[in-house]
Amino acid sequence: DAKTTQPPSMDCAEGRAANLPCNHSTISGNEYVYWYRQIHSQGPQYIIHGLKNNETNEMASLIITEDRKSSTLILPHATLRDTAVYYCIVRAEGSQGNLIFGKGTKLSVKP
Amino acid sequence: ETGVTQTPRHLVMGMTNKKSLKCEQHLGHNAMYWYKQSAKKPLELMFVYSLEERVENNSVPSRFSPECPNSSHLFLHLHTLQPEDSALYLCASSQEAGEVDEQFFGPGTRLTVL
Repeated sequence: DAKTTQPPSMDCAEGRAANLPCNHSTISGNEYVYWYRQIHSQGPQYIIHGLKNNETNEMASLIITEDRKSSTLILPHATLRDTAVYYCIVRAEGSQGNLIFGKGTKLSVKP
Repeated sequence: ETGVTQTPRHLVMGMTNKKSLKCEQHLGHNAMYWYKQSAKKPLELMFVYSLEERVENNSVPSRFSPECPNSSHLFLHLHTLQPEDSALYLCASSQEAGEVDEQFFGPGTRLTVL
């Protein structure tokens, strides 16, 4: 079973920041937080991952709380093409690539 | 061609047919994966290959038979499937299995079993 909890759906206005929350209260010290997204009828796409520190790349920012029990994925300027299901996954190094996907959050970006 | 490709993109088969799904990665990765995504269910990991050796088999029925002839190619051989096997089958690759790196997914094969 997935070790994360996410809201089933969220809306965001085009051009505004989308903040997607994720709870992972049972995360272990060696587990990373990953975010993937899946646009309709496509394969999942990696977005970002982190362990303790906040991370930023060209797609998004990842904010991890100090106790690591929750995190937020931030899309700074959402576009219509960001409409997708976003998956938050915790995964330990050495787990043979086991990405255990939950149900994710369906983000709808509206004009 | 770059990334992870899958063929065919769509497949309809009867329960008595034998078919194969093909995945190819052009990224120089050593690990490849098969996932299944059924309607309204999360993605499920089926098989993991590392350097052409199967390192994980998540209790998948024997009617699904994977094959990894080299690190760039992965097949999923299908025989005597059931209608409930209808799903999107996704292939992925990563630099190494078990490392903290991203997985690159293909577009998937939409399988319908009649």
